[in-house]
Amino acid sequence: EVQLVQSGAEVKKPGESLKISCKGSGYSFTNYWIGWVRQMPGKGLEWMGIVYPGGSHTKYSPSFQGQVTISADKSISTAYLQWSSLKASDTAIYYCARLIAVAGGPDYFDYWGQGTLVTVSS
Amino acid sequence: EIVLTQSPDFQSVTPKEKVTITCRASQSIGSSLHWYQQKPDQSPKLLIKFASQSVSGVPSRFSGSGYGTDFTLTINSLEAEDAAAYYCHQSSSLPQTFGGGTKVEIK
Repeated sequence: EVQLVQSGAEVKKPGESLKISCKGSGYSFTNYWIGWVRQMPGKGLEWMGIVYPGGSHTKYSPSFQGQVTISADKSISTAYLQWSSLKASDTAIYYCARLIAVAGGPDYFDYWGQGTLVTVSS
Repeated sequence: EIVLTQSPDFQSVTPKEKVTITCRASQSIGSSLHWYQQKPDQSPKLLIKFASQSVSGVPSRFSGSGYGTDFTLTINSLEAEDAAAYYCHQSSSLPQTFGGGTKVEIK
């Protein structure tokens, strides 16, 4: 059974750093892109970026480029999303999800993690 | 970046009614358009892939159509359990993007 299990909720202060995780199981972790999606309180889904654990290739949305770092450790089947200096506006639920690639590039998300709530408040 | 515009933002519907949600892309994306359902306090769930392809385990009352820039998600005979937000998502080019979402409420 395919599963993506995310790390638990975090409460941080502005300026602090943070790294959240997404552990895949039940499939070959290195053969699928993993994406990160933000959902701010009461708002819609925002595509942040993706990583290919097999080669550590990453692609970012311009809205998030330079604001976060996406990475993966294939040895432990885990993808990461990290911030070096959090802002209050980073308060959101962050989802990881597996991407299916049909014609070469990443296409749709078929499995999603349970989400990690990040709260940034002084 | 391709912008996806969904309409309506909100729809209040009686059970057994038909629901139609549209998603318009700012440029042609072929059939690289996918639909998700997100119920309150849950992760999104894939409903339709590549504009009109069904997904295993999804009830047959959900269907999709469209090509190029205009797409439609149809829910035939709405059930109470369909109360949720619905999002379109394009994979034609990077960065991938989502539509703003449509919230469906049951009257």
